Formats: sequence, C-alpha cells, structure tokens
Amino acid sequence: GAVVSQHPSWVICKSGTSVKIECRSLDFQATTMFWYRQFPKQSLMLMATSNEGSKATYEQGVEKDKFLINHASLTLSTLTVTSAHPEDSSFYICSASGTSGRVYEQYFGPGTRLTVT
Amino acid sequence: GDSVTQMEGPVTLSEEAFLTINCTYTATGYPSLFWYVQYPGEGLQLLLKATKADDKGSNKGFEATYRKETTSFHLEKGSVQVSDSAVYFCALRAPQGAQKLVFGQGTRLTINP
Repeated sequence: GAVVSQHPSWVICKSGTSVKIECRSLDFQATTMFWYRQFPKQSLMLMATSNEGSKATYEQGVEKDKFLINHASLTLSTLTVTSAHPEDSSFYICSASGTSGRVYEQYFGPGTRLTVT
Repeated sequence: GDSVTQMEGPVTLSEEAFLTINCTYTATGYPSLFWYVQYPGEGLQLLLKATKADDKGSNKGFEATYRKETTSFHLEKGSVQVSDSAVYFCALRAPQGAQKLVFGQGTRLTINP
C-alpha cells in the first residue's frame, strides 16, 4: 500500500513554455503533499508543501509564481513550471502523507525528469 | 536551522562486506530520524526510522541507532548484497509536529559481486 505515482516520468520542453507534472496517491488520501527538487548528485530540496484545498506554502527562495502548485483533491497535486528555462532542468519528486491528527510517513513518487532546451 | 550531514560517496564494496554510512545531524530538541533508500529508477523508500534517543531502527538487515550524545544515526549492515546498490539518504523531521523532512546529500552505494 501507500503508492504514489508521478506523470510524466520524463519530459522535454522548449524554453519559455510551461509544463505540468502530476502527483497522485493511488491507495490513500493525501491531505498533505510535498514537492522536492533534486539536482544531480545532490540532496532533495523541499520546494513547497501543499494541503488539500488551500494554498501551498513555499520554502524560502522558491518562486511561487514560477512553480505553481495546486492540490485540488485528496489524491492529486500538480506542479506547473511556468515559462521554463534551462536552469529549471532537474529531477522533481513529490511525496504524500495522510493526517488525521497524527503525523504519517511521507511516501515518495518515482520522480519526473524535466529537461528544458 | 536543522541540517543533516552524510558521509560523502560514492562507496564501493564487495559482496558480504560490512557497511557503515555515517550520518550526523543538527537540530533543536529531539527530531525523528530516518534512512531512505532510492533504487535506480525508483522513488525514495523508507528503510528505517527512530523517533527517540537510543532507539534502534532496523529493516532488511540494516540498522541505525539514534545517538543523542553524538547527534548521529549511522547506517550499518553486516553483510551487503549486490541488490543493496542504491542511493541512501539520511533525514530528520523536527519534533514540533511539522511534517517537513530535511535530507542529507545522499550516499551512492555500489556492491560488486
């Protein structure tokens, strides 16, 4: 159980275009989802935390107008990279957890590799 | 702020060798500590965890003990297998109810037959 999927697994887009990445919890309701960015040979950097039905909370230094996060349902969150540039090329990972007054573990998706040309 | 430091990789060992991956942390209070593993092409999976001092987490032959006095959570395995080849991440979660995880930089482990 506790499976999280991401789509697409990889995407190539042209500079200046926008790309949407989906994160789904397949067998549980995720009240909280997280979006991370992972650079080659480096750690995961938390970009933002989103709770279902409310605005995402962005980490310091992350441009919220560039990385739009929507957590519209208990099983789906999306990350849209707007006006993408080559420096946005990276591996984006989401995770999801469910809460009901307790803190549950985060379950991670397999990641999406974005290449901006 | 909170931070996690892992031993730098890559680490290459022969099958059946003893493994230690060092992890130390800086945090206020008593965070929960985790080891995650990322196999090639897959997402991070929770390997083991410990939520208070002197707790030992264990799974699949891996162990790590929460050492408050040395602020460490070193990962060990007595006899590694080729299938253990992966990237290992140490992480902490602050004790105040937040779900945010802070990760170390990851250690790539390669086991040769």
